[in-house]
Amino acid sequence: GAVVSQHPSWVICKSGTSVKIECRSLDFQATTMFWYRQFPKQSLMLMATSNEGSKATYEQGVEKDKFLINHASLTLSTLTVTSAHPEDSSFYICSAHRLANSYEQYFGPGTRLTVT
Amino acid sequence: EDQVTQSPEALRLQEGESSSLNCSYTVSGLRGLFWYRQDPGKGPEFLFTLYSAGEEKEKERLKATLTKKESFLHITAPKPEDSATYLCAVQPSGGSYIPTFGRGTSLIVHP
Repeated sequence: GAVVSQHPSWVICKSGTSVKIECRSLDFQATTMFWYRQFPKQSLMLMATSNEGSKATYEQGVEKDKFLINHASLTLSTLTVTSAHPEDSSFYICSAHRLANSYEQYFGPGTRLTVT
Repeated sequence: EDQVTQSPEALRLQEGESSSLNCSYTVSGLRGLFWYRQDPGKGPEFLFTLYSAGEEKEKERLKATLTKKESFLHITAPKPEDSATYLCAVQPSGGSYIPTFGRGTSLIVHP
């Protein structure tokens, strides 16, 4: 299989605090992981591409100082939402791209972030 | 610029009423076209990858087909549990692994 986990599945935090979301590929190595944001009844919005051992590449309009991404190993990437505000409330989903012989991305279950 | 257009945006079917979802795409070179299923409040679940025109893949009541301009997801005799949003994505050939997603088709199957 190709299983991707995310933790936490949901989190509520106060405005001004930071929140870390973990994305792990459980049974395969992922050279590249992607972070998406999804608003209700809308499609996925790519935030950034994360490659193991190098800096993330952010999409236009995404603040890299606000959404810190670290891809420390071939199985773990983290997204930290710094100084969160209510407008950061959203559904965040990661995906992992498997190595060789496959171009598929496998998605995590998502993290629901609510900032009060 | 790569583009993916899915139609219809929403589809309501009666249980057992077969239909097809469309994914039209423009891409400079196609590495692969993907279909995903997404249930509310969950991440997308991988269904199929299609690589070349003429290719078909099946899984239970679903069959995906691919031409040079579009892909169809055929749903045969759907059941209520097939209700979900179906997403299509294309991955261009070249160095980037970044896919372009369509907006999805929301399918509701009534018992």
